[in-house]
Amino acid sequence: DQQVKQNSPSLSVQEGRISILNCDYTNSMFDYFLWYKKYPAEGPTFLISISSIKDKNEDGRFTVFLNKSAKHLSLHIVPSQPGDSAVYFCAASRTNDYKLSFGAGTTVTVRA
Amino acid sequence: GAGVSQSPRYKVAKRGQDVALRCDPISGHVSLFWYQQALGQGPEFLTYFQNEAQLDKSGLPSDRFFAERPEGSVSTLKIQRTQQEDSAVYLCASSLAGGKETQYFGPGTRLLVL
Repeated sequence: DQQVKQNSPSLSVQEGRISILNCDYTNSMFDYFLWYKKYPAEGPTFLISISSIKDKNEDGRFTVFLNKSAKHLSLHIVPSQPGDSAVYFCAASRTNDYKLSFGAGTTVTVRA
Repeated sequence: GAGVSQSPRYKVAKRGQDVALRCDPISGHVSLFWYQQALGQGPEFLTYFQNEAQLDKSGLPSDRFFAERPEGSVSTLKIQRTQQEDSAVYLCASSLAGGKETQYFGPGTRLLVL
């Protein structure tokens, strides 16, 4: 069963505006969450992560928010740039575990 | 420095053939992971090595799938008697240690079974 869900398969945003990507999870044992970015014909590249002891982590234009009670996290990209056009995967891991559980991905297209 | 490399990048196999997929992790990385990504889906965990020890193979879909890392560096994922449902991108990732260390992914091997 899919423990990490990205319900929006695609998102189109204008350059300079905010991109908001959403992710829901079902396993309450998850305590570490990551976002990966993937370009065609390349492997996923780590973008940003957040531990369950925090509710926000920021790195430049990228901010991840975690709402544990709702089992929901989101990635904000501000401002969006054409190079941000890619597939974004949400991933999670459990306490004392190493393997990642991934969502199905959201394809972001940034329009000029 | 060099990232994770995988070969071949593309593989076409006839149903029933055996295939071997290679992963060269980042030098010095202790942990190595294999994931399978079906079309339109996210990567799914197959197996995990810490050095040469295969600590978790719970994600391998059948006994036709076998992975090894005999010297604790290069790893090979072998699929015997390939089936059409094995068609996917096979991703290898490595991390410096275990736990919550960042996993660095290779470009993947796209396998198509006809």
